[in-house]
Amino acid sequence: GAVVSQHPSRVICKSGTSVKIECRSLDFQATTMFWYRQFPKQSLMLMATSNEGSKATYEQGVEKDKFLINHASLTLSTLTVTSAHPEDSSFYICSARDLLRGSEQYFGPGTRLTVT
Amino acid sequence: AQSVTQLDSQVPVFEEAPVELRCNYSSSVSVYLFWYVQYPNQGLQLLLKYLSGSTLVKSINGFEAEFNKSQTSFHLRKPSVHISDTAEYFCAVSETGTYKYIFGTGTRLKVLA
Repeated sequence: GAVVSQHPSRVICKSGTSVKIECRSLDFQATTMFWYRQFPKQSLMLMATSNEGSKATYEQGVEKDKFLINHASLTLSTLTVTSAHPEDSSFYICSARDLLRGSEQYFGPGTRLTVT
Repeated sequence: AQSVTQLDSQVPVFEEAPVELRCNYSSSVSVYLFWYVQYPNQGLQLLLKYLSGSTLVKSINGFEAEFNKSQTSFHLRKPSVHISDTAEYFCAVSETGTYKYIFGTGTRLKVLA
């Protein structure tokens, strides 16, 4: 149990376009979802925390107008990278927390975004 | 503020040799501790975790870690590594009640034949 999926696994987009990444909890209800960004050979940096039905909380230095997060249901959160630029190219990983399972986060497989 | 330090960015070790990957954290409150493994171009897989109780925790594939509160450490060990253990290993800490994870910078374990 506690499986998290991400779609797409890999996406290439042109500079200036927007791209949406989906994060789904497949077998549990995720009251909280987290979005991380990982640069090559670096650690994961938390971008934002999203709670179902409310606005996301962004970490310092993360542009909320550029990285739009929506957590409309207990099983789905989306991250939209707006007006993407090459420097937005990165590995984006989501995780989900199930209130009934405690504080542990369950991680998705990640989405590789390349902006050309 | 909490932080996590993984002192070794890379650890080369020969197959069947023992290995220890170090993790130290700083926090003023009680914490949960985690080790994750990441294979190339993949997400994170939970290796083991300490939430409470016994300070020695073990995974199904031979890894173990011991929570040492006085030394604020959670080092990962395996008595005999395999080629397939080659991966990036991340230590993470979460202060109880916050649910946020802070990750270390990772240690790249390279097992040599």
